Amino acid sequence: QITLKESGPTLVKPTQTLTLTCTFSGFSLSISGVGVGWIRQPPGKALEWLALIYWDDDKRYSPSLKSRLTITKDTSKNQVVLTMTNMDPVDTATYYCAHSEKSSGSRWFDPWGQGTLVTVSS
Amino acid sequence: DIQMTQSPSSLSASVGDRVTITCRASQSISSYLNWYQQKPGKAPRLLIYAASSLQSGVPSRFSGSGSGTDFTLTISSLQPEDFATYYCQQSYNMPLTFGQGTRLEIK
Repeated sequence: QITLKESGPTLVKPTQTLTLTCTFSGFSLSISGVGVGWIRQPPGKALEWLALIYWDDDKRYSPSLKSRLTITKDTSKNQVVLTMTNMDPVDTATYYCAHSEKSSGSRWFDPWGQGTLVTVSS
Repeated sequence: DIQMTQSPSSLSASVGDRVTITCRASQSISSYLNWYQQKPGKAPRLLIYAASSLQSGVPSRFSGSGSGTDFTLTISSLQPEDFATYYCQQSYNMPLTFGQGTRLEIK
């Protein structure tokens, strides 16, 4: 059974850097085709993809946030870390990590972590 | 970026109804389209991947179809637990993009 859980601060101040950790079990991020992604959802709004890291350490970012995001993995700890710099109140959202698989070129997220609400406020 | 547009944005229906939600891509995405269900306060759940493949454990009343730019999610007979928000997501190109969501409410 695959599970993921996000952890990190619930409140950050504007201009600070957010560091979120996704701790997972039930799969290995060293297996070909596997990835872990980060997706966020502002209150009452739609889902927004942020970043994805693959088993081979290839990394992809949302172009609109690329300058502020860094995604890394620690395969030995079964963790993926997302950092987002220069936080702003508009970054207030629930942040999810999710296991990613692909088949015949199509890639999806399943399952997802429970999410963690991050509020940006002074 | 590929824009994903869902219609309708919200929908009222009754238990037992057949419901169809549409997702349109701004360019062809082949069959690289996934559907998720999200209930209030919960994480999204994968329903359909690669346009028409039913994820394990998902009831067979859910089905997906389409290719190219136009896709549909159909619920053949609505059950009380199906009232939720539904999102489509394309994986044809980076950045991965989601639709704006379709909120399915009880009539």
